[in-house]
Amino acid sequence: SAVISQKPSRDICQRGTSLTIQCQVDSQVTMMFWYRQQPGQSLTLIATANQGSEATYESGFVIDKFPISRPNLTFSTLTVSNMSPEDSSIYLCSVEGGGKTLSYNEQFFGPGTRLTVL
Amino acid sequence: GESVGLHLPTLSVQEGDNSIINCAYSNSASDYFIWYKQESGKGPQFIIDIRSNMDKRQGQRVTVLLNKTVKHLSLQIAATQPGDSAVYFCAEKRGSSASKIIFGSGTRLSIRP
Repeated sequence: SAVISQKPSRDICQRGTSLTIQCQVDSQVTMMFWYRQQPGQSLTLIATANQGSEATYESGFVIDKFPISRPNLTFSTLTVSNMSPEDSSIYLCSVEGGGKTLSYNEQFFGPGTRLTVL
Repeated sequence: GESVGLHLPTLSVQEGDNSIINCAYSNSASDYFIWYKQESGKGPQFIIDIRSNMDKRQGQRVTVLLNKTVKHLSLQIAATQPGDSAVYFCAEKRGSSASKIIFGSGTRLSIRP
């Protein structure tokens, strides 16, 4: 299976600041996604990171708040901008499609970045 | 609205017994379902999937059952072990080419020794 790493694994930030989270995959993948998981809750898709073009955002998420980059087929970043305590969550990247996909449409998830905003 | 939801938020099972985790979905157009396991401090891990043209699929110690008539999905874990303690999510994809996953609310499975 694809091996996904995220940096940082956790951070504590002050409100009004921004944090950029990195997602690195050990093989080229077709699709990369960013999810948010608020404490004790399920995962919500933020956006699809498109290589070489602007990300596709889900309802309720906007580029100004969550700018995303995907410069190549193995790397993506998510920035949480102008943070408030409501942004405290786990942010996860996932990948799909590529040589290490075990079954149809299988998505692999990274370990997540735990963000606390004070 | 459309949703994928779970019947019970928590489940406690005796070690060695079988576990059954249930999930309901509301969109009859849903055609692909996945079960994920999430251990504390980790990302979700793929367990098993099933297409809407099937009603049962088996893996190692796990079985997924799909009842399209009542829009119900279940995950059965045989001979539950301490390592099965986790939160289990059912998830849904709509459309063979769509990659967006919609997650249910999750069930926490705890194992009694």
